Amino acid sequence: QSVLTQPPSASGTPGQRVTISCSGSSSNIRSNYVCWYQQLPGTAPKFLIYRNSQRPSGVPDRFSGSKSGTSASLAISGLRSEDEADYYCAAWDDSLSALVFGGGTKLTVL
Amino acid sequence: QVQLQESGPGLVEPSETLSLTCAVSGYSISGGYYWGWIRQPPGKGLEWIGSVYHSGSTYYNPSLKSRVSISLDTSKNHFSLKLSSVTAADTAVYYCARLGTNWGVDYWGQGTLVTVSS
Repeated sequence: QSVLTQPPSASGTPGQRVTISCSGSSSNIRSNYVCWYQQLPGTAPKFLIYRNSQRPSGVPDRFSGSKSGTSASLAISGLRSEDEADYYCAAWDDSLSALVFGGGTKLTVL
Repeated sequence: QVQLQESGPGLVEPSETLSLTCAVSGYSISGGYYWGWIRQPPGKGLEWIGSVYHSGSTYYNPSLKSRVSISLDTSKNHFSLKLSSVTAADTAVYYCARLGTNWGVDYWGQGTLVTVSS
């Protein structure tokens, strides 16, 4: 069981906007920054969002992140077939003194 | 461009020690950042194993702390992972990674599959 909770799956059609949630607690998401990663099949994860809502260079602005209280969200607008991947949230947990990940959400583009 | 490359045995026997090395190019590991290991069992999610700061300070996942050691070799610009007393549950793709302040993983190795089996 992961410390951060994500829905196991999400889906959308091309052009749609989809949102993936990440639920945590006061010791992780409320207290620390959240990051998001995209993992395409058979590849290493890719840095997608840092400090809750910042995009690394090269990440399209179709991807956006937000945080409120003990939850965070990743939104993908203008959905494309190449966005089909697994998405993970992560944050430092002060109680565990550990970097914790969500269980991952498999996004399907219908 | 920062690049990381894992190397080490792909097969380890139960109860033995898993040893992996991550060669870093494009950045000096003594120049800053955390350097760490993250694993992913087949078909499952990501698990942080631990990290070492450029100063040598280490941080380990509490669930693995008794079995893990991560160290830097600045002369070779690489860092290493040792995980002792492995079982089949340690079978996973192991990624080495660079972590910035706030613990964001900005660079990943390609990953290496380590299977624990006799």
